[in-house]
Amino acid sequence: GAGVSQSPRYKVAKRGQDVALRCDPISGHVSLFWYQQALGQGPEFLTYFQNEAQLDKSGLPSDRFFAERPEGSVSTLKIQRTQQEDSAVYLCASSLWGVTSGGSGEQFFGPGTRLTVL
Amino acid sequence: AQTVTQSQPEMSVQEAETVTLSCTYDTSESNYYLFWYKQPPSRQMILVIRQEAYKQQNATENRFSVNFQKAAKSFSLKISDSQLGDTAMYFCAFMGIQGAQKLVFGQGTRLTINP
Repeated sequence: GAGVSQSPRYKVAKRGQDVALRCDPISGHVSLFWYQQALGQGPEFLTYFQNEAQLDKSGLPSDRFFAERPEGSVSTLKIQRTQQEDSAVYLCASSLWGVTSGGSGEQFFGPGTRLTVL
Repeated sequence: AQTVTQSQPEMSVQEAETVTLSCTYDTSESNYYLFWYKQPPSRQMILVIRQEAYKQQNATENRFSVNFQKAAKSFSLKISDSQLGDTAMYFCAFMGIQGAQKLVFGQGTRLTINP
């Protein structure tokens, strides 16, 4: 596809439910990032993949959050036993290469998934 | 840890005016990248302009330019001849070159261009 896509665009979950958010990065992009954006705030880093390897998960707020990218393309962010504080927009971004590999550093963002936990 | 601060939560100007958005950051790294991203109401984040810290020359992209003051750790965005389509949230972001090269964002400035 032409850009990063995410699905679903909107998700409403009852407290305690599990949710799965999908990200389709730009084809061929090596790096994939997940960010969490609370209402009225800037995005905050959750986790980073280089191909299928999850190299940084320091931003995941709890062990209820889990991300994977098994074939180095599509990624899924899973949240178990959702809580109200998980309500946010979840943004996925991809980039071709890191800057130390000659890339520009530009990350291309998807439209996000707005998660509301009731 | 790096931090990014945008001290102007909201700004509003008339169409065709020039507006400057402020951003300061804190880091102990000597080489890094700085970005301004635009997030229109549709929510998709779009890159406006990027600056490499080791380049002294300020970046420009058409009507958008930056004033990068490395010693002061300041990175402001100037929008000239503002247009209605410039209405959006603007985020300043820092990226170090080590590790994940993740973006660290400021809180954002909501910019409204009035007709």
